[in-house]
Amino acid sequence: DTEVTQTPKHLVMGMTNKKSLKCEQHMGHRAMYWYKQKAKKPPELMFVYSYEKLSINESVPSRFSPECPNSSLLNLHLHALQPEDSALYLCASSQGPLAGAYYEQYFGPGTRLTVT
Amino acid sequence: TQLLEQSPQFLSIQEGENLTVYCNSSSVFSSLQWYRQEPGEGPVLLVTVVTGGEVKKLKRLTFQFGDARKDSSLHITAAQPGDTGLYLCAGVTRQGAQKLVFGQGTRLTINP
Repeated sequence: DTEVTQTPKHLVMGMTNKKSLKCEQHMGHRAMYWYKQKAKKPPELMFVYSYEKLSINESVPSRFSPECPNSSLLNLHLHALQPEDSALYLCASSQGPLAGAYYEQYFGPGTRLTVT
Repeated sequence: TQLLEQSPQFLSIQEGENLTVYCNSSSVFSSLQWYRQEPGEGPVLLVTVVTGGEVKKLKRLTFQFGDARKDSSLHITAAQPGDTGLYLCAGVTRQGAQKLVFGQGTRLTINP
């Protein structure tokens, strides 16, 4: 089973709203990731969690706040977003951040976010 | 910064034809992964290549990792409409914190 699930699938929010995206995996993976993907572009890394601790923040604005409650769950809290933040938000997981050269990431189906 | 250049960006061919997608860099990667992505969905992992010169086959798809681990190719034989999609190569960086660096993607259309 290489499934990563994400909810919701679609989200429309106003610029003053607070919402959260959720991601879950049951593969025993110890690294989890958030990516942002704009139309016709490749995914861009936002955050990496390794063993439930934030290990990489790619200079993401503070209106995006990640949280890793346990090894299976990853949340992305959203507050005061801008219309340009509209994108497909992808969650991924891998066996570990130090898995050597054999380092495979499995992606969820994404949440399509629209900020109005 | 390690970059991956993927080409072509767009490719439209007839069913039954062969094609090759290239992924090139001036940097060495620990490994390289190929993904396929459908509109509105997440990328699906197709293959990982690790060893320089490695060749992996997945039905009509053949993946190759360059000897110096700086480049890779994806060759599709007898393309079918079901092969249509966005193909992404992604390399695992060797410098600093390990993370995936994506190419710009190849949008492939197979016409019946």
